[in-house]
Amino acid sequence: EVQLVESGGGLVQPGGSLRLSCAVSGFIVGSDYMNWVRLAPGKGLEWVSLIYSDDSTYYADSVKGRFTISRDNSKNTLYLQMNSLRAEDTAVYYCARGQRDGGKTGFVDIWGQGTMVTVSS
Amino acid sequence: EIVVTQSPATLSVSPGDRATLSCRASQSVSSNLAWYQQKPGQAPRLLMYGAYTRATGIPARFSGSVSGTEFTLTISSLQSEDFAVYYCQHYNNWPWTFGQGTKVEI
Repeated sequence: EVQLVESGGGLVQPGGSLRLSCAVSGFIVGSDYMNWVRLAPGKGLEWVSLIYSDDSTYYADSVKGRFTISRDNSKNTLYLQMNSLRAEDTAVYYCARGQRDGGKTGFVDIWGQGTMVTVSS
Repeated sequence: EIVVTQSPATLSVSPGDRATLSCRASQSVSSNLAWYQQKPGQAPRLLMYGAYTRATGIPARFSGSVSGTEFTLTISSLQSEDFAVYYCQHYNNWPWTFGQGTKVEI
């Protein structure tokens, strides 16, 4: 069964750090591309970051330079290292499996249940 | 960055009604648009990609169409389980962006 399970969320002070993990089962985390998407309270979805099988990465401008996406193929796990956290980073963070339409990437078909990150003093 | 605008913000309908949700991109995204459904406390679910291709397991009452930069998701006959928030998302080029969502409520 294909499953994504996030962990690592919690309450952190502004300027602090957190590392989110996403344990993958049912497929290989490095087989194509993986993503982090967030949903802030009262707002819409935002694509945070993605990593391709060739290790190329992309970030939203709002997190560039502060967040780092990575994966550990031996543990079949995706990560999101979040530094210099701000109040506006407060959100539910989802990991999600990327899918292709022909050769075109850009949408996701399997989502985890999400992990809540709250940035507050 | 391509801005994706959804309308209406809220759609009040009854079971059995036909629902039409709109999504407009600020510039051409070809057919590189997906639709998702999200219910409270749940992860989003992929409904449609390529503007009009249903994802695996999505019932035929969901259909998508495109005309230029205007995209439409139609639910032909609303079921109780269809009341949710619907998001469109373009993936023509990075950054991929979502619309703000349309809440379909009774």
